[in-house]
Amino acid sequence: DIQMTQSPSTLSASVGDRVTITCRASQSISRWLAWYQQKPGKAPKFLIYEASSLESGVPSTFSGSGSGTEFTLTISSLQPDDFATYYCQQYNSFPLTFGGGTKVEIK
Amino acid sequence: EVQLVESGGGLVKPGGSLRLSCEASGFTLSSYSMNWVRQAPGKGLEWVSSFSSTWSYTYYADSVRGRFTISRDNARNSLYLQMNSLRAEDTAVYFCARGRIAVAGTASDSFDYWGLGTLVTVSS
Repeated sequence: DIQMTQSPSTLSASVGDRVTITCRASQSISRWLAWYQQKPGKAPKFLIYEASSLESGVPSTFSGSGSGTEFTLTISSLQPDDFATYYCQQYNSFPLTFGGGTKVEIK
Repeated sequence: EVQLVESGGGLVKPGGSLRLSCEASGFTLSSYSMNWVRQAPGKGLEWVSSFSSTWSYTYYADSVRGRFTISRDNARNSLYLQMNSLRAEDTAVYFCARGRIAVAGTASDSFDYWGLGTLVTVSS
């Protein structure tokens, strides 16, 4: 199974900050990586697919990069609506696996 | 508008069974891979099972294989998850999620639309 490791697990930041979340795969997944945002009590929201392709309607302040085993999600200027938990997911092979999540908190 | 609505969750005793349903609207279910993802209270997301687009290939997490069965009814545009021999560790919100790509035979995919989820509690 491919293990997905996210860091940090918690991140404290202020509105306007640039924020970067890292996701590492235990083996190469090419660019088969997605990112999701989840707020408490809500379903996850799809942000990015194929490592760097922004889903329609997602603000351009979000961007993704990486390939192989190292990936990043960057929020260029954190907005009040962006405080949430973020998950990466690999879909290179079954079993599909998620990272443990990164909670972005208000500093 | 794409919508996914889960139902069928509830309280069940260990060893019991439940059948979850996911009714889809705004798209043809069989054209996409369809998936179940769960989230235990206060925990992260865990993939449970997938049903490939077009052809009926199914995939399961090791933690549920042999106990859970995913199925699809094209006429009802609905996805199901039959859960047997339930354990306390199956307690979670279960989400139905659509695979992003509408290509025949697609199985592993990212998930572009999610339902609101249905809570399954396994407790005596």
